[in-house]
Amino acid sequence: DSGVTQTPKHLITATGQRVTLRCSPRSGDLSVYWYQQSLDQGLQFLIQYYNGEERAKGNILERFSAQQFPDLHSELNLSSLELGDSALYFCASSGWGANYGYTFGSGTRLTVV
Amino acid sequence: GENVEQHPSTLSVQEGDSAVIKCTYSDSASNYFPWYKQELGKGPQLIIDIRSNVGEKKDQRIAVTLNKTAKHFSLHITETQPEDSAVYFCAASPVGNMLTFGGGTRLMVKP
Repeated sequence: DSGVTQTPKHLITATGQRVTLRCSPRSGDLSVYWYQQSLDQGLQFLIQYYNGEERAKGNILERFSAQQFPDLHSELNLSSLELGDSALYFCASSGWGANYGYTFGSGTRLTVV
Repeated sequence: GENVEQHPSTLSVQEGDSAVIKCTYSDSASNYFPWYKQELGKGPQLIIDIRSNVGEKKDQRIAVTLNKTAKHFSLHITETQPEDSAVYFCAASPVGNMLTFGGGTRLMVKP
């Protein structure tokens, strides 16, 4: 157990639908990052939050949005889902100040049918 | 921003042989270089990291080297075992900034 909790582990939904992925960061970590990993692909950075505020954006589609709540958990919302959105979605958390490595969760596997 | 290139994309070795994965980075301000191992169906896990004030770091069969002048760093795995088979990612970041990941290397260790 890495300390980063992602739910659900698996999600199957139909095209056009909307889903919410949830992430609880490791205790004490203020930064949360979301990544998308398609089959045999690398880690595509989506978005970062730090202590409730958006800090950086990557190649995140307009159909996707995220937020970080006062208790520091984060949610990634994916809407108008397409077949190509099928992927593993990872959340990672980190501390701040000096460089810290990221701690990744075990991911949510999203399948759009 | 930072750009990290990783090579090779796939690497196949015989059990017991050594494996080397290389990464180059572009931002001379980067000073933190972690390596992650991702097993099938799991999230990436930090296996070793190095900071720019150190040229080499070892942890049992794993070592990382850093050449700041050339802006490249490498992961060395000695005496490879089948359980070393996984995807490995390098990353780099300047102080307090986000990690930029390389594209990954799929390592296959043949028994």
